[in-house]
Amino acid sequence: DAGVIQSPRHEVTEMGQEVTLRCKPISGHNSLFWYRQTMMRGLELLIYFNNNVPIDDSGMPEDRFSAKMPNASFSTLKIQPSEPRDSAVYFCASSLRISLRSGNTIYFGEGSWLTVV
Amino acid sequence: QQQVKQSPQSLIVQKGGISIINCAYENTAFDYFPWYQQFPGKGPALLIAIRPDVSEKKEGRFTISFNKSAKQFSLHIMDSQPGDSATYFCAPWGQETSGSRLTFGEGTQLTVNP
Repeated sequence: DAGVIQSPRHEVTEMGQEVTLRCKPISGHNSLFWYRQTMMRGLELLIYFNNNVPIDDSGMPEDRFSAKMPNASFSTLKIQPSEPRDSAVYFCASSLRISLRSGNTIYFGEGSWLTVV
Repeated sequence: QQQVKQSPQSLIVQKGGISIINCAYENTAFDYFPWYQQFPGKGPALLIAIRPDVSEKKEGRFTISFNKSAKQFSLHIMDSQPGDSATYFCAPWGQETSGSRLTFGEGTQLTVNP
């Protein structure tokens, strides 16, 4: 049973370069989330989609960050241009929202470890 | 993000001991109270969760205690094992928060010494 699949697992890039992180959510899930994890700030929600539509992007740090979900099985998070302070682990996660009343178990991928030098 | 306060930041326990991690929240609209467990190099994974209509839930060695009036819930790990060494996050959720947003605590790094 495949979980959330992220790629690349590790990326080292130079400052100013474009970075694209990819995510395949669990089949049938209708919500997708992008989180960033750092020692300083912990787990931060960057953006989430419901039924492929961005619902809340208030966590996106700045215009250098963008996210898309062209279909139910694929999403990207793009950083352009990248900066050293973007170095972090980026997690994609998905969930199935059955109803407003149901609990929301979120399934995380293994993360994309980004280093910007 | 500051709606959730987790403590302690780190915890060291001997094998066989009891680990207790606490989470205090402000938003009274929260109605689902999960704990997530994260091992190094992995994403967080749901460990155990509770709804506010019960005060305690036990799954094996893991217990959640919930105090609605105090707006707190805690994770108890009985007979702690070295394999429990991980970072634990509380992540309360409520239907009135913006959609499905989970509010993660800062995390507690648990080390269980053999």
